[in-house]
Amino acid sequence: NAGVTQTPKFQVLKTGQSMTLQCAQDMNHNSMYWYRQDPGMGLRLIYYSASEGTTDKGEVPNGYNVSRLNKREFSLRLESAAPSQTSVYFCASTTRRDTTYEQYFGPGTRLTVT
Amino acid sequence: AQKITQTQPGMFVQEKEAVTLDCTYDTSDQSYGLFWYKQPSSGEMIFLIYQGSYDEQNATEGRYSLNFQKARKSANLVISASQLGDSAMYFCAMREPYAGGTSYGKLTFGQGTILTVHP
Repeated sequence: NAGVTQTPKFQVLKTGQSMTLQCAQDMNHNSMYWYRQDPGMGLRLIYYSASEGTTDKGEVPNGYNVSRLNKREFSLRLESAAPSQTSVYFCASTTRRDTTYEQYFGPGTRLTVT
Repeated sequence: AQKITQTQPGMFVQEKEAVTLDCTYDTSDQSYGLFWYKQPSSGEMIFLIYQGSYDEQNATEGRYSLNFQKARKSANLVISASQLGDSAMYFCAMREPYAGGTSYGKLTFGQGTILTVHP
């Protein structure tokens, strides 16, 4: 049981390049999320997918697109990277168990755009 | 809109002592949830504890407990018997109301508190 996995762990891009961050979870969770964390700050929601086949914008969606490929996988795409997108990106998945909630995060992808 | 406030940028505690990390929140919803996460220097986000707005008892998980005061809109994390490994950034987060179906709500995070445990 690997939990939430993300690839790659590190990436350096030049301004204008594109890339896709991959995320997968093996916990059979319905909801998945992409967050970004800038230095010294909390996480901010980029996009989320409440269930397979649905996606919605979060707090900071500009410059990103997402795809919920199946129940396990949720990818984040940067079409034309900008230096302002330099950040650490976290994928997360959530489930409700009885009266409590659990939200687990992947290890993060550290992205630098030069 | 929901808002989470963590007013302590940094906290220091002696090993084996207890420490309280503050978190206040603002929401007009009746149904919500509060999380605490630990982020060590390695960067991963570690789930610590969850409290639902309708839970009558404070949540506890091992050395972690959540002091939930609904009327004051506070959800402070108490770490008992601090260990050197507790040194990390701690984030408080709020879940939006359960929207039904399979939507479990989005999280809004506070700015975090850096905890340093001294030997």
